[in-house]
Amino acid sequence: DQQVKQNSPSLSVQEGRISILNCDYTNSMFDYFLWYKKYPAEGPTFLISISSIKDKNEDGRFTVFLNKSAKHLSLHIVPSQPGDSAVYFCAAKEWDATNKLIFGTGTLLAVQP
Amino acid sequence: DAGVTQSPTHLIKTRGQHVTLRCSPISGHKSVSWYQQVLGQGPQFIFQYYEKEERGRGNFPDRFSARQFPNYSSELNVNALLLGDSALYLCASSRDGASTDTQYFGPGTRLTVL
Repeated sequence: DQQVKQNSPSLSVQEGRISILNCDYTNSMFDYFLWYKKYPAEGPTFLISISSIKDKNEDGRFTVFLNKSAKHLSLHIVPSQPGDSAVYFCAAKEWDATNKLIFGTGTLLAVQP
Repeated sequence: DAGVTQSPTHLIKTRGQHVTLRCSPISGHKSVSWYQQVLGQGPQFIFQYYEKEERGRGNFPDRFSARQFPNYSSELNVNALLLGDSALYLCASSRDGASTDTQYFGPGTRLTVL
């Protein structure tokens, strides 16, 4: 069963506008969430993370929001730039002795100039 | 500083063969994790190693094994290859493998099983 879900396979936005990528999870034991970006022929690149004790974390143009009651998180990119075009993965982990990440299936973001 | 490196970049094998994939972590990082990414899916956790000891194992058959060397590099071995093993194999390193330690991924090895 898919514990981390990204229900939108793709998203297209205009340069300068806001991109909102969504992620839902089912495991209530998850306590740390991350977003990774992946370009073709490269490995995933860490973007931003959030602990379950927070509901928002901001880093430059990227903000992650966490709604624990809804088991939902979102990544906001403002303003969107053509270089942001990539596949975005949501990932989650439980508080345990490992650093095992559970990934969603990804959302392909296309930012149109 | 060099990032995570993986070799080879691409590999073609036939069913039943054995394969070894290699990973060198970022300098100073002591933990290495392996993930399998099948087309259209997100990466799936296979193993984590820290200080040469296995710290975690995902839901993969015993045909998959790994080890970590004293210099913290790692190998992933897959025996008796199946067509379904065709995937991108990603290695990630982190400083000490702690729960919230950021993982940095290599470019991956693309394995095709014919």
